[in-house]
Amino acid sequence: EAEVAQSPRYKITEKSQAVAFWCDPISGHATLYWYRQILGQGPELLVQFQDESVVDDSQLPKDRFSAERLKGVDSTLKIQPAELGDSAMYLCASSPSGDTQYFGPGTRLTVL
Amino acid sequence: GDSVTQMEGPVTLSEEAFLTINCTYTATGYPSLFWYVQYPGEGLQLLLKATKADDKGSNKGFEATYRKETTSFHLEKGSVQVSDSAVYFCALLNFGNEKLTFGTGTRLTIIP
Repeated sequence: EAEVAQSPRYKITEKSQAVAFWCDPISGHATLYWYRQILGQGPELLVQFQDESVVDDSQLPKDRFSAERLKGVDSTLKIQPAELGDSAMYLCASSPSGDTQYFGPGTRLTVL
Repeated sequence: GDSVTQMEGPVTLSEEAFLTINCTYTATGYPSLFWYVQYPGEGLQLLLKATKADDKGSNKGFEATYRKETTSFHLEKGSVQVSDSAVYFCALLNFGNEKLTFGTGTRLTIIP
């Protein structure tokens, strides 16, 4: 069964450093999502891609976060500089356009 | 805007007990409804879904029925197992904006 891949699974960094997360969606899924999940809460959407285009980044803190999906397949989410409040699980999901979203295992970020 | 309200946890049950986790929603239009499960340190797994009123989603002994008149999608299982211990998230997908809105999650612990 095809799955969404994410790496790394865990990342520990110091405040003010740069971090990057990678996501490879299920093959053929045009829509890709990045979510942030703070401990004890539900996921919140950061950015949504349709192929290589951003369709919603209204909740992305653009002063420090950036996301790209250059060839419309895999995607990278970057934080620079990281802040203590960025500690969270970062989840990637994909869907065949507007349908059920399938999630990857997530990247657990700890900022010290 | 869209919102999902879940019963607060944590919920602790004995093995083989009957489970109900309540979920109600507020949305415009006719959303699809989902239950996702998250095991410790992992991403979200789709448990079941329903796309229209009176549909019943089912998987692994879990069931939920889309009740438009009460705007509810309660999760039930007749006999829980220790392996069901996890956090359960109710969510809705509004096709108007393709956004998945999550509840805050309910932590379930099953005691042998």
